[in-house]
Amino acid sequence: DGGITQSPKYLFRKEGQNVTLSCEQNLNHDAMYWYRQDPGQGLRLIYYSQIVNDFQKGDIAEGYSVSREKKESFPLTVTSAQKNPTAFYLCASSPNRGQPQHFGDGTRLSIL
Amino acid sequence: GESVGLHLPTLSVQEGDNSIINCAYSNSASDYFIWYKQESGKGPQFIIDIRSNMDKRQGQRVTVLLNKTVKHLSLQIAATQPGDSAVYFCAENPPIDQNFVFGPGTRLSVLP
Repeated sequence: DGGITQSPKYLFRKEGQNVTLSCEQNLNHDAMYWYRQDPGQGLRLIYYSQIVNDFQKGDIAEGYSVSREKKESFPLTVTSAQKNPTAFYLCASSPNRGQPQHFGDGTRLSIL
Repeated sequence: GESVGLHLPTLSVQEGDNSIINCAYSNSASDYFIWYKQESGKGPQFIIDIRSNMDKRQGQRVTVLLNKTVKHLSLQIAATQPGDSAVYFCAENPPIDQNFVFGPGTRLSVLP
């Protein structure tokens, strides 16, 4: 079955530590996205990528970094510069930007 | 009825009744809208979409209504079932930016 796989499902970060969230898709989609979901708020866009080796900042990119070396993969690194990283992180993909997005089942990041 | 919960508005309905979930969108130029369903601990799932040249679109047990005059979108679910319990949110697609803007959502609780 085609879909998006996010791992791990739960992740804990220590102070000063960088952590990387994995996102893999086998839908052959060009566009991929990372969102942050906090209670009572809509999804907020962190980064997006329209094509391999290209990515753009979203609305809340500070403290995060991404790479897009392969079409299938779009990992997100939460750096120590992100002072409030506790959230539910969702990865999504779509054939092209502006089309309906397919979502993974998320990674919940907490601080130790 | 509908009430404001701690984080999200909540709509409680009896099993078998119809549900109406509302969404106010922000950009009068948005030309494409999607409704998503998100179950606890999972990623959002596409339910139905509508373009701005339409007022109404029907799917299986779901209907989306678009009122561009007041920038309002609604999702109607017929014969609500326990499996419909989830958070529902709308997304709008501004024509130039093409990054979707997501609403905070409404929690639907189906009572036996």
